[in-house]
Amino acid sequence: EIVMTQSPATLSVSPGERATLSCRASQSVRSNLAWYQQQPGQAPRLLIYGASTRATGIPARFSGSGSGTEFTLTISSLQSEDFAVYYCQQYNNWPPATFGQGTKVEIK
Amino acid sequence: QVQLVESGGGVVQPGRSLSLSCAASGFTFSTYGMDWVRQAPGKGLEWVAYIWYDGINKFYADSVKGRFTISRDNSKNTLYLQMNSLRAEDTAVYYCARDAGGGSHYYMDVWGKGTTVTVSS
Repeated sequence: EIVMTQSPATLSVSPGERATLSCRASQSVRSNLAWYQQQPGQAPRLLIYGASTRATGIPARFSGSGSGTEFTLTISSLQSEDFAVYYCQQYNNWPPATFGQGTKVEIK
Repeated sequence: QVQLVESGGGVVQPGRSLSLSCAASGFTFSTYGMDWVRQAPGKGLEWVAYIWYDGINKFYADSVKGRFTISRDNSKNTLYLQMNSLRAEDTAVYYCARDAGGGSHYYMDVWGKGTTVTVSS
């Protein structure tokens, strides 16, 4: 099973600032990585797939990069609606599909 | 619009069974693989099961293998999860999700709002 590790667990950022979230895989997942956003009490929402492709309707301030074992989600200028929990998920080696434990982006 | 609506959650005693449903609309259900993903209270996301577009192949997390069964009825645009021998650790919000793959698991691009399952005596 591929283990996904996200860091940091919590990121405190001021509105308008940049946020950089990391996700590391225990072995290569090539570019088969997705990012999801989850607001409190809501279902997850797909942000990025293929490590760097934004899903339909996702603002350009969200960008993904990386391949192999190291990945990054960057939010260029945080808006109020971006404070949420973010999960990475690999779909290269499955079953099982595996998620990271999440990074909470909170208001500083 | 594309929509997934789960139902069937509730409170159930350990060892008992429960069946979840997920009604799909707004897309051609029969061409997409489908997933169940759960989230225990205050915890992260855990993939539970995946079924091919045609229902022929099914895959499970080790934590539910042998106890849960995923199925679908493409004539009714509905996904199911039969959960048997429930345990306290199965307590979670269960999400139905559309998979971008039809015959192989990819990422999940559409999610339902979830249904809550509580296993407690």
